[in-house]
Amino acid sequence: DAKTTQPPSMDCAEGRAANLPCNHSTISGNEYVYWYRQIHSQGPQYIIHGLKNNETNEMASLIITEDRKSSTLILPHATLRDTAVYYCIVRVGGYTNAGKSTFGDGTTLTVKP
Amino acid sequence: KAGVTQTPRYLIKTRGQQVTLSCSPISGHRSVSWYQQTPGQGLQFLFEYFSETQRNKGNFPGRFSGRQFSNSRSEMNVSTLELGDSALYLCASSPVGGGYEQYFGPGTRLTVT
Repeated sequence: DAKTTQPPSMDCAEGRAANLPCNHSTISGNEYVYWYRQIHSQGPQYIIHGLKNNETNEMASLIITEDRKSSTLILPHATLRDTAVYYCIVRVGGYTNAGKSTFGDGTTLTVKP
Repeated sequence: KAGVTQTPRYLIKTRGQQVTLSCSPISGHRSVSWYQQTPGQGLQFLFEYFSETQRNKGNFPGRFSGRQFSNSRSEMNVSTLELGDSALYLCASSPVGGGYEQYFGPGTRLTVT
């Protein structure tokens, strides 16, 4: 799996958009970008994933650059409950790789009132 | 659908003992993975089971083992516990198809004294 680089911490004002960057410059053509978050002492929560197109769901948007070497997770209107550690993971798609994710240190996002 | 459930939620064991943790995946999910989370090492992949067979394995000693039953429920076992095995043990299940994202349970907090 490709290595990812994320800033260790970020702050965001409540109600504003939170933009979390992830660098994955060695990503391969068959590797997907997944985002998870972990609120203190809970299990990680799946947020969104993508291959090369931008993706949006009810939780967030994922913007992947055209060269696929970096991506940004966007929480459009951050709330205090979005305070968590956010993990960007890159792994090969397909069912044989579904069960194995390599987690880095992630970004601790703190949403402030 | 009910989420991933793990039992017990908290466990205290003595060094040298063995322990068994249980995980029930989301209904219909056939892939079950186990992770260990510690403050020093972060989230580390232990192993993954799919259709009762171990499909992927992380870099952990043989004291860590697991199995999966025909109903996809899984157990992991740690024998000869060491103080360093104190951790949050997380189980995740993944659907066959779609984005193959993982859904995590709340974890079992194991303390070895």
